[in-house]
Amino acid sequence: GAGVSQTPSNKVTEKGKYVELRCDPISGHTALYWYRQSLGQGPEFLIYFQGTGAADDSGLPNDRFFAVRPEGSVSTLKIQRTERGDSAVYLCASSPTGYTEQFFGPGTRLTVL
Amino acid sequence: AQSVTQLDSHVSVSEGTPVLLRCNYSSSYSPSLFWYVQHPNKGLQLLLKYTSAATLVKGINGFEAEFKKSETSFHLTKPSAHMSDAAEYFCVVSDAGGSQGNLIFGKGTKLSVKP
Repeated sequence: GAGVSQTPSNKVTEKGKYVELRCDPISGHTALYWYRQSLGQGPEFLIYFQGTGAADDSGLPNDRFFAVRPEGSVSTLKIQRTERGDSAVYLCASSPTGYTEQFFGPGTRLTVL
Repeated sequence: AQSVTQLDSHVSVSEGTPVLLRCNYSSSYSPSLFWYVQHPNKGLQLLLKYTSAATLVKGINGFEAEFKKSETSFHLTKPSAHMSDAAEYFCVVSDAGGSQGNLIFGKGTKLSVKP
């Protein structure tokens, strides 16, 4: 079956611009996670959705970052006023319930010039 | 707070020789521990997981890991490396103290396999 998909696969933007990153989880998975992986590092947790609500957004670095999941399926990570330090691979994962294995997408590589 | 430490950033082995990737964890709770593998330009894939059942966990592709509470370790091993094993490996602990299950990753160990 289809896995987690993320679009775009690559995004290049200029400092100060706004970007949206999309995640399509595995159908029926209620839990959805966003992580950020900087070069040479392991992924770091950003935000977790259970259904439509953000159950834990403690990993979001500041208020320029926001994520939504309005219908409990697709999620969008939004970054305002991008900075060069936001350059990273943004990973999305989904899980049937949130207490089981997380299935990862291939990621979106964001480059802020 | 929970954390994992991967003791080697890079491990190089010859094809057919054993693989050992070391991981130590810190946890205030009974941890759930995982190993994930990341091949270039591919998504993270779960190799194996420990969730308080058997301490020796077998995973995919011939990998296994042993949970040792006394040593707070969860090292990953494979008897015989294959060229296709070359990838980045992450030791991961689940935030079992919370209700969310978000994962806490180590910094990764890059495994190189020489012919």
